[in-house]
Amino acid sequence: QQQVKQSPQSLIVQKGGISIINCAYENTAFDYFPWYQQFPGKGPALLIAIRPDVSEKKEGRFTISFNKSAKQFSLHIMDSQPGDSATYFCAATPSNDYKLSFGAGTTVTVRA
Amino acid sequence: DADVTQTPRNRITKTGKRIMLECSQTKGHDRMYWYRQDPGLGLRLIYYSFDVKDINKGEISDGYSVSRQAQAKFSLSLESAIPNQTALYFCATSDAALNEQFFGPGTRLTVL
Repeated sequence: QQQVKQSPQSLIVQKGGISIINCAYENTAFDYFPWYQQFPGKGPALLIAIRPDVSEKKEGRFTISFNKSAKQFSLHIMDSQPGDSATYFCAATPSNDYKLSFGAGTTVTVRA
Repeated sequence: DADVTQTPRNRITKTGKRIMLECSQTKGHDRMYWYRQDPGLGLRLIYYSFDVKDINKGEISDGYSVSRQAQAKFSLSLESAIPNQTALYFCATSDAALNEQFFGPGTRLTVL
């Protein structure tokens, strides 16, 4: 039973477009929400993370939006580039626990 | 990824064989984790260790065992491999004070 539900499973976007990946959770103890990026043949690497005390966090072209009442959070990739083609995982954990619960992953393909 | 190494990178074995996957890290982190990645399921935690004398089961520990030989080394064993243990296995580390996990490059295990 996955504690974090992620959608879509895959998406294709044109270069310069916006990629949006959504995640939802039920466990109200979760208070740290990272996104990991994984390229083929590599391990996942932390991309960006958010805590519930803010509704949005932006780092370059990547933005996390967080809706605490709906228990949902999403990753927006603005001005998508072919180099952004990767699998993206959302995750969640109580910060006193540090055991990450991952979503199923979204494969993003950016077409040039 | 170079700070967290996994051996072997690829392994093909037969049902019933004992397999050990090894993980070493030079990051000086106390916390180490083993995950398996399956398509459509994301990453699932098998075991984790917060220090050399601390070993904990994750969500899918059945059929697996681990050994924390030193702060820098954490091994995963399959005592009697079965085909549904065919997966990509990742080791990760984290600092006790931070949430970010650093992943190794993965081991692709195939059980025939």
